[in-house]
Amino acid sequence: DTAVSQTPKYLVTQMGNDKSIKCEQNLGHDTMYWYKQDSKKFLKIMFSYNNKELIINETVPNRFSPKSPDKAHLNLHINSLELGDSAVYFCASSQAGEAFFGQGTRLTVV
Amino acid sequence: DAKTTQPTSMDCAEGRAANLPCNHSTISGNEYVYWYRQIHSQGPQYIIHGLKNNETNEMASLIITEDRKSSTLILPHATLRDTAVYYCIVRVARNNAGNMLTFGGGTRLMVKP
Repeated sequence: DTAVSQTPKYLVTQMGNDKSIKCEQNLGHDTMYWYKQDSKKFLKIMFSYNNKELIINETVPNRFSPKSPDKAHLNLHINSLELGDSAVYFCASSQAGEAFFGQGTRLTVV
Repeated sequence: DAKTTQPTSMDCAEGRAANLPCNHSTISGNEYVYWYRQIHSQGPQYIIHGLKNNETNEMASLIITEDRKSSTLILPHATLRDTAVYYCIVRVARNNAGNMLTFGGGTRLMVKP
C-alpha cells in the first residue's frame, strides 16, 4: 500500500501545453510538498502546504500552481510548459521529523 | 538550517561497512542531523536522524561527535542495493510546513562486488 503516490510516472508533452501532476498520501500527514530535481540531480523545494494552506513558495514561476483539495492531496498544475521545466518532480508528506516521498514524475517537454 | 559538507563519492566493498562522513560545523543546539538516500530513479528515502546521541535502527547507525560538528552514517554490511546518493541534512524539527528539507549534493556511494 503506497504511502505517497504520484501520477503519472512519465509525462511527455509539447512546449506551451498545460499539464497536471497528481499526488496523494494515505499517511494522515498535515504537510505536503513538491520538489523538483533537475538534470544536475539537485533536489529543490518548490512548495509546501499545511492543512491545505500554502506555507512556502520558493522562487517558482507563477506558471506553476499547486492545488490542495484536501490535506491528503496536493496536485501541481503547470501552464505554458517550457523546455526548462523538464525535470523529475517529487511529491512528499510529513508530520514531524521524517518525510515520505513519492516515486517521482519525469516530465519531458519537447 | 545549517550547511553540510559531504564527499562527492565513495566506494565500498560488498559485505563491508560503509562509513559516510558529514561535516556540519555551524549546527545549532536545536538542529537535528537527518540522513536520506536516493536510489537511482526513486524518491528519497528516510534513513535515520539524531540530535546528539548515537542512534541505530534496522537500516543504519548514526554516530554524532560530542561537539556535534560532524557525524557518520554507518551501513554495517553494505549490499549492492545500498548503491545510492546519501544526503546529510541538518535542520530544526518542526511540526508544521517548515519541515521542508534542503538537499545538498550528497555522497554517491558505489557498493562493488
